[in-house]
Amino acid sequence: EAQVTQNPRYLITVTGKKLTVTCSQNMNHEYMSWYRQDPGLGLRQIYYSMNVEVTDKGDVPEGYKVSRKEKRNFPLILESPSPNQTSLYFCASRSYNQPQHFGDGTRLSIL
Amino acid sequence: AQKITQTQPGMFVQEKEAVTLDCTYDTSDPSYGLFWYKQPSSGEMIFLIYQGSYDQQNATEGRYSLNFQKARKSANLVISASQLGDSAMYFCAMRTAYSGAGSYQLTFGKGTKLSVIP
Repeated sequence: EAQVTQNPRYLITVTGKKLTVTCSQNMNHEYMSWYRQDPGLGLRQIYYSMNVEVTDKGDVPEGYKVSRKEKRNFPLILESPSPNQTSLYFCASRSYNQPQHFGDGTRLSIL
Repeated sequence: AQKITQTQPGMFVQEKEAVTLDCTYDTSDPSYGLFWYKQPSSGEMIFLIYQGSYDQQNATEGRYSLNFQKARKSANLVISASQLGDSAMYFCAMRTAYSGAGSYQLTFGKGTKLSVIP
């Protein structure tokens, strides 16, 4: 089954404790992205990747890092999380000129 | 810069009626794609329909159709024969095709919450 898998689905953590949200897709897609969703703001792109070792900033990259060492994986790293990064996060992937496939989302709460 | 505007924060529709969700966009790129996604209360993002800027006909997918008016830069979603399961947030999004800053980004509107009344 074609899917984008995010882990964890839910996480409550504390300010400053490094965390990684993993994202994996099994569709051999070139493009992958991370978004955050906040009430009243819709989805905003954090980072995207066009292929292995090619990444670029989206609209709200501050406080986040990504890597794309393998085609299937695109982890989101919060080196020093802060409460303003409490949000619902989505990973997505797509092939050229196709719609995005979204993961089920990760709810992060940073206290 | 690309921009998507959804002016209806919330809408109500009677079951079995049709409803139109508005979306206007702004881009200087001649080649772009427009998408609609549905987000039910469970949180997942579900792709509904796609319209390319060069497509001659309006896109349709089952009960969903996209009323694409290029000159007015609008891409409204029409849901025919609404069902209770259509109650959800709906997001309009745009992707541009050319290289350069923003070319691979998908820009979302803030969404419209649709509630279907029995």
